[in-house]
Amino acid sequence: DAMVIQNPRYQVTQFGKPVTLSCSQTLNHNVMYWYQQKSSQAPKLLFHYYDKDFNNEADTPDNFQSRRPNTSFCFLDIRSPGLGDAAMYLCATSRDSYEQYFGPGTRLTVT
Amino acid sequence: AQKITQTQPGMFVQEKEAVTLDCTYDTSDPSYGLFWYKQPSSGEMIFLIYQGSYDQQNATEGRYSLNFQKARKSANLVISASQLGDSAMYFCALVKTSYDKVIFGPGTSLSVIP
Repeated sequence: DAMVIQNPRYQVTQFGKPVTLSCSQTLNHNVMYWYQQKSSQAPKLLFHYYDKDFNNEADTPDNFQSRRPNTSFCFLDIRSPGLGDAAMYLCATSRDSYEQYFGPGTRLTVT
Repeated sequence: AQKITQTQPGMFVQEKEAVTLDCTYDTSDPSYGLFWYKQPSSGEMIFLIYQGSYDQQNATEGRYSLNFQKARKSANLVISASQLGDSAMYFCALVKTSYDKVIFGPGTSLSVIP
């Protein structure tokens, strides 16, 4: 009865090679978020979708893109990963911005 | 601008003892929510407890309680009867109910000692 699913749990990519992380939810929540979390730091919001409306944080690099083809799925695309993009990527969902339910995260390694 | 402060980067507590993790916040919005999340070494963020700015009573969830002092803008988490499985990072977070953005504090690393 997993609620927020992230695939894969671990992803290794090469420097500059595009990579896509996926998130799906069974909660029918209208808001989906992507966070980047580096070691020993708080999660940093990259962007979120409120229904179909995309909201990008001002300091999110252009290298990061997102797609939400339907309510259940949301993707994070990193067009040209650099070594500094190695991190845990957390997907979360909420109903109208209250309690956020997090997935298990995808740990990205860039070689 | 909204801000969350957690002044304790690391805490130790003896098993079965109670521990308080500090959180202060800054917001000019009259309506907001405060959360505490637990993040074990596996990386998953686990929701613990929520307090709304207009809630009259302090939130409680099992061994977790939130000491909410609105005038002081503090929302400390109290864990009673600590267990070894409580060892983790703990994040305090603020959500502005008029927007869809959650702001996390820097976190407190809690270690429970047998």
